[in-house]
Amino acid sequence: AQKITQTQPGMFVQEKEAVTLDCTYDTSDPSYGLFWYKQPSSGEMIFLIYQGSYDQQNATEGRYSLNFQKARKSANLVISASQLGDSAMYFCAMRESPLHIRGGSEKLVFGKGTKLTVNP
Amino acid sequence: NAGVTQTPKFQVLKTGQSMTLQCAQDMNHNSMYWYRQDPGMGLRLIYYSASEGTTDKGEVPNGYNVSRLNKREFSLRLESAAPSQTSVYFCASSKVDTVSTDTQYFGPGTRLTVL
Repeated sequence: AQKITQTQPGMFVQEKEAVTLDCTYDTSDPSYGLFWYKQPSSGEMIFLIYQGSYDQQNATEGRYSLNFQKARKSANLVISASQLGDSAMYFCAMRESPLHIRGGSEKLVFGKGTKLTVNP
Repeated sequence: NAGVTQTPKFQVLKTGQSMTLQCAQDMNHNSMYWYRQDPGMGLRLIYYSASEGTTDKGEVPNGYNVSRLNKREFSLRLESAAPSQTSVYFCASSKVDTVSTDTQYFGPGTRLTVL
């Protein structure tokens, strides 16, 4: 079963506008982490933001914020004030409870990604 | 501080040839990983090493072997390359302690083509 679902293969946004990239996840583990990575056309994977399942507040990192709705099992990435350099593939990933918690695993499972295009 | 480095950046092999992809990290991380990325797909875990001296299979281990040479280095070997192994290969590492988020940091990738 797909553990991470990104339903938007492609998204378009005008420069300076905000955009939300969707991510839903499936786990029965109470302890998990959610990550967003950016992959520009050059190919590298760049870590953007992390949300832990027990974190009380939604994560923010500069122009990136994570809209974490635990009951709905969604962890959407919000990019504010889009820039041309934000054009890239964006991947959502989940880690179920880490190794140092009994029975846990540090393996990441990735979604298939959303291609974001920022138009001038 | 170079982070995670991978060699080579590009490689073309013929079916049946063997090769080793090299990965090294200088962040004193405990865990290291190998992923492959195919067109239109996210990354899929091939093998990982939670600590020096241990390795475990991921989602797609068939056709690959790994060696955790020391804390810094984790290599991926294709013994007999097949066209289905044409992909971009990423190495990653993470600290994995009781406090950190266990964020994985990625190398630049190796683009492998098997003819």
